This record gives sequence, structure tokens and C-alpha cells, in this order.
Amino acid sequence: NAGVTQTPKFRILKIGQSMTLQCAQDMNHNYMYWYRQDPGMGLKLIYYSVGAGITDKGEVPNGYNVSRSTTEDFPLRLELAAPSQTSVYFCASRGLAGGREQYFGPGTRLTVT
Amino acid sequence: GNSVTQMEGPVTLSEEAFLTINCTYTATGYPSLFWYVQYPGEGLQLLLKATKADDKGSNKGFEATYRKETTSFHLEKGSVQVSDSAVYFCARGDSGGSNYKLTFGKGTLLTVNP
Repeated sequence: NAGVTQTPKFRILKIGQSMTLQCAQDMNHNYMYWYRQDPGMGLKLIYYSVGAGITDKGEVPNGYNVSRSTTEDFPLRLELAAPSQTSVYFCASRGLAGGREQYFGPGTRLTVT
Repeated sequence: GNSVTQMEGPVTLSEEAFLTINCTYTATGYPSLFWYVQYPGEGLQLLLKATKADDKGSNKGFEATYRKETTSFHLEKGSVQVSDSAVYFCARGDSGGSNYKLTFGKGTLLTVNP
């Protein structure tokens, strides 16, 4: 199994551009999450989803949108990129059973200039 | 609310030294507790977990015990290696209706020198 995959690995955007960060998991997990990681700040939850068709805001949703049309995919959309969105973005997923741990993708490093 | 506090880094040790990284959490119910590790340039990997009081999680020589009385989940390793250099995150599962979410500490950078 590939687990959680993310593309791209790196991206540089100009201010005002838009892009979609892709996330997919092949573990049939119901729950999926998007985090951003800023230096020295740990992880902050942007959006999450408890199943296909259901999404909700986390701590820092402003400037982002998500959709969950399938169980496997959970893309994160940046509509008008701003320098404050320079960060490393991690997608994660979790199943219904088990010990509630989340499984993380390798991350996307985004720079907005 | 839910919070996790872990010791500030960076922590620098020599190989074979003893490691402790402190972690405390706010207590609402009986949350699951986790330690994640992030090696340079990679995503977070689950290192160990504990799901109830007095449970001890262990993996790769690391241990942490769920202490309800002190609301702590300190990470320990008896003899660190250079390959343990990474950022370590303590996390707690949220409770009640939000029990599918995790709250993370800010992370502790560990550097082990040969």
C-alpha cells in the first residue's frame, strides 16, 4: 500500500495565484485532514473531513477550501495565494477502528513570493 | 480546551546519552496519547501510543507511560543514537464528539552528536 500520498512535493507561487494540493490515501480511511506546519509552531489544522461529502473547518481555514468527493481524495485549494501561506502542508488520514492514530503524507513545501 | 505542552528545544545530546522529552496535557476524559517523530524532510510517523492510564507505549527503544495523576506522557530512551536526530511531537486525541482530531505540541528538535 502507498498509504497517504501528496503532490507536488515543492511549489513556488506568485502572490495572487491559485493552486490545488493533492492528497490521496489507499487505506479506505474515513477521516482525512490538512495541516500546515510553520517553523517552531507545530501543526495547525486547516480543514478536515469525516467522510465523502462532509468537510469542516479546523483552526486556520481562512484562505483555503477543500472538497471530498471520494473516500480516497482530499484536495486543498488556495485561491489567492499570500506570503502568509508559505508553509509545509501535510495531509493525514485515520480509520474508524484502531487506536485513533493518524497517518501522514510526506508533505508539500509551498513558497509564495 | 485541549492543549499539549512539551519541553522547549532544541535538545542536543551525545550518542548513548539518556533522553527525556517532557509532555503534559490538559485532561478532559481519558484521551489517547501519542508520540510522533519527524525526520528531516519527511512527514510525521507514529512512534508510540497509549490509550489508557498506566499504559506504556514503546517502540525502537523509546518508551512513554500514560500518567493520569500528573497528566503527563514523557518520552524516554536509555541510549540515543545519531539516527534518532529528529523533531518529536507529543499529541493527544480530542474527546467526546471531536474524538477523531488530534492536538499537537509544538515539537522538540533533538540533535544527537557522535
